[in-house]
Amino acid sequence: AQSVSQHNHHVILSEAASLELGCNYSYGGTVNLFWYVQYPGQHLQLLLKYFSGDPLVKGIKGFEAEFIKSKFSFNLRKPSVQWSDTAEYFCAVNAQEAAGNKLTFGGGTRVLVKP
Amino acid sequence: EAQVTQNPRYLITVTGKKLTVTCSQNMNHEYMSWYRQDPGLGLRQIYYSMNVEVTDKGDVPEGYKVSRKEKRNFPLILESPSPNQTSLYFCASSLLYGYNEQFFGPGTRLTVL
Repeated sequence: AQSVSQHNHHVILSEAASLELGCNYSYGGTVNLFWYVQYPGQHLQLLLKYFSGDPLVKGIKGFEAEFIKSKFSFNLRKPSVQWSDTAEYFCAVNAQEAAGNKLTFGGGTRVLVKP
Repeated sequence: EAQVTQNPRYLITVTGKKLTVTCSQNMNHEYMSWYRQDPGLGLRQIYYSMNVEVTDKGDVPEGYKVSRKEKRNFPLILESPSPNQTSLYFCASSLLYGYNEQFFGPGTRLTVL
């Protein structure tokens, strides 16, 4: 069964600092990878996704992620965060052979950006 | 506007009182799914539906039922809610089974006393 782990549960940083959130998954087959963001009181929104092709994926709001197949990782980055990036971030994996079209989520990382 | 809607958004109930959380999408998506979100556990799939009249269990189906009589609607039913079902629930849909980008509803926060 596939599983996803996010290394940091909480991250606190100041505006203009760089952000990197780690995500590792365990599944040996072909995967689709996602990062979702959940702003306070809101539903999940897709930040970016990787299906195939260039392993460096650019998403909305200046976020990007790099798929490193050999490390089973899909880390999220943003060079300079803003206060509005305060949110909870979820990495998710879909194994292409998985029953149920299920997205397996990591436990989430709460990011607090101090103004 | 393309969206997934859920109702109610907030619900407080008591143990054993049957309830239904509705989910509706206006994107003509074939695939729909229910997740629950609990702190530190991310989202876990409860049930999913590949199309009308086709439903199946996810990872945590115990205590829940679903139905898919129409393409746009996918209600989640708790026949006899218990306190361990206190959680934040999300409905999601995607165009096709296997088309993996899922769109999420706004969530329903359920408290069972």
